[in-house]
Formats: sequence, C-alpha cells, structure tokens
Amino acid sequence: DAKTTQPNSMESNEEEPVHLPCNHSTISGTDYIHWYRQLPSQGPEYVIHGLTSNVNNRMASLAIAEDRKSSTLILHRATLRDAAVYYCILRDFFYRKKDSNYQLIWGAGTKLIIKP
Amino acid sequence: ETGVTQSPTHLIKTRGQQVTLRCSSQSGHNTVSWYQQALGQGPQFIFQYYREEENGRGNFPPRFSGLQFPNYSSELNVNALELDDSALYLCASSSDSSGTKNIQYFGAGTRLSVL
Repeated sequence: DAKTTQPNSMESNEEEPVHLPCNHSTISGTDYIHWYRQLPSQGPEYVIHGLTSNVNNRMASLAIAEDRKSSTLILHRATLRDAAVYYCILRDFFYRKKDSNYQLIWGAGTKLIIKP
Repeated sequence: ETGVTQSPTHLIKTRGQQVTLRCSSQSGHNTVSWYQQALGQGPQFIFQYYREEENGRGNFPPRFSGLQFPNYSSELNVNALELDDSALYLCASSSDSSGTKNIQYFGAGTRLSVL
C-alpha cells in the first residue's frame, strides 16, 4: 500500500497563506491524492482531491508535483476555523467487486495551528 | 439532503460485552465505510459495504462484523470487547456515481469506551 508522509504539526498566522506538504514517493499511476481535515470533536471533512493536474475549489488548492511523488495543500487565507488535523491520503484500490467503491489509507496527519 | 448520522454518540461497555453501532448514510449514497480512530491517530479502515455486500476489509479480526440494509444504512457489531477497542468509530458514506465518486462524507462518530 502506498503511504504518505506529513509533518506532525505546523503553525501559521491568521489571514496568511498556508502550504501543507505531503510526500508520497511510492504512489502508483492510478492513485488519486485526497485531502481531508478533521476539526476538533468532529468527523473528517473532504477538502480536495486530484490525480495529476493542480486543482482548485472553494476551500483550497492542490498543487501536485510533476513526478507525483509529493503534493501541497494550499489554504489561501487561513482563518481560526481552519485549525484542524489535515490528512493527505492516497486512494487504495483493494479488490474490485462489481462496480466497487474504494477505501482510503490514513496516516497521522498534520495538526495545523492558526495564531490570531 | 440529510448528512451522515451515527448513533449513539457515546457508549460505555465492559470487557467481553458486545456492541452495535449504527449509521444512516447520506441520501442517495449506496456505500458505507467504517473506520476506527484511536486518540491522536488517523482513522483505520475496518470494512466497507456496497449495495448490501462487504466490499473490502482492513486488518481487523472477525469479531468486527457489519451489515448494510436495503436503505443503505449500516451497522457495525463488535463481539467480545477488549480494552483496546476503546476509540472513536466513524462511518462514511459515498456513492459510485461518477460525479462524486471520490468523496466520502463522514458522521461525527460514536465514542466507545471499554472498561
């Protein structure tokens, strides 16, 4: 199973951009890169995902290295509400059954601390 | 559109007992995945149900079992509880439709304490 490596924690000032790195050197050609975040006392929340090209949505941007061995989640203007644990995850296709879905292999994530 | 709901929110059991956790998937979703999250760690995949059949399983013993019902809600059953089973149990629903296939929607979880 392909694995990801993230820093344990990062700090940023409020209203400044945040770049959260993730290394995934053993990524396979069919692995999507997913980012989820988990606020205190809540279940994880989808942030963004991508395969090869950079992606943007209303929450964040995802920058994927050309060799796909690393990626960066970019929060353009962090607020106190963005303080959470951010998980970088590779989609793991386990055995396919009918029109099967998939599961995600999670690491320990990066705890993002936002300073006012 | 209702989100993913889990019940109960908190549960206390003693070692050796059995527990059933419940999950109502988001409207229109046919897939439910269950995760165990120990304190300070990321979620660990237990198993997934797709259209009422188990669609894959993580590294958990057989005393962890599940069901998915025709309305796509799901149950997680754990027999012979052990102290290490104390954790937050998360349910996530998703759909195999192409537009949202890559997104899992999580409930707030059930906090299980085994004494």
